[in-house]
Amino acid sequence: AQSVTQPDIHITVSEGASLELRCNYSYGATPYLFWYVQSPGQGLQLLLKYFSGDTLVQGIKGFEAEFKRSQSSFNLRKPSVHWSDAAEYFCAVGARGGKLIFGQGTELSVKP
Amino acid sequence: NAGVTQTPKFQVLKTGQSMTLQCAQDMNHNSMYWYRQDPGMGLRLIYYSASEGTTDKGEVPNGYNVSRLNKREFSLRLESAAPSQTSVYFCASSQTGARPPTGELFFGEGSRLTVL
Repeated sequence: AQSVTQPDIHITVSEGASLELRCNYSYGATPYLFWYVQSPGQGLQLLLKYFSGDTLVQGIKGFEAEFKRSQSSFNLRKPSVHWSDAAEYFCAVGARGGKLIFGQGTELSVKP
Repeated sequence: NAGVTQTPKFQVLKTGQSMTLQCAQDMNHNSMYWYRQDPGMGLRLIYYSASEGTTDKGEVPNGYNVSRLNKREFSLRLESAAPSQTSVYFCASSQTGARPPTGELFFGEGSRLTVL
């Protein structure tokens, strides 16, 4: 069965520092992979997605993610974090019927 | 541009009461979904509807029923609410079957339900 694991429940980084959020997936075929962000009290917004081709994908708000098939990973990165990036981040894998299977989420706090 | 609209945004119920969460989308999407979000659990799929007239169970369907009323609307019903159903519920929609696939789900703002 498909599954997604986000090993880090909570991460704190200083403003201006780099960020990497980890995501590991389990899926039999070539996966469709997504990162979503959720600001407090809001719904989820798509940051970026991977379907095929170039394994480094660019998203909105300066985020990027790299698909590594050998490691079953799809880690999210940002070179320099802004205070407004504080939110909860969800990795997801696409399943049959258009469904998404989500990870547990990683809460990001940003120190001034 | 409304996108996905959920009502109500907040609701408090007593154990055993029933209620329906309403969801409507104006993007002409064919697929709609209900998720619940609980701390440390991420989002778990309750039910989904791949197209008008069809519904399927997700990971956690017990205690819920759904109705795909038409292409725009997808409701979630709790027949006899239990404290374990205290959660934040999200409706989402997507356009599936497209080539290439878009894959993106568009989410409502959520409905916070408390069952006492």
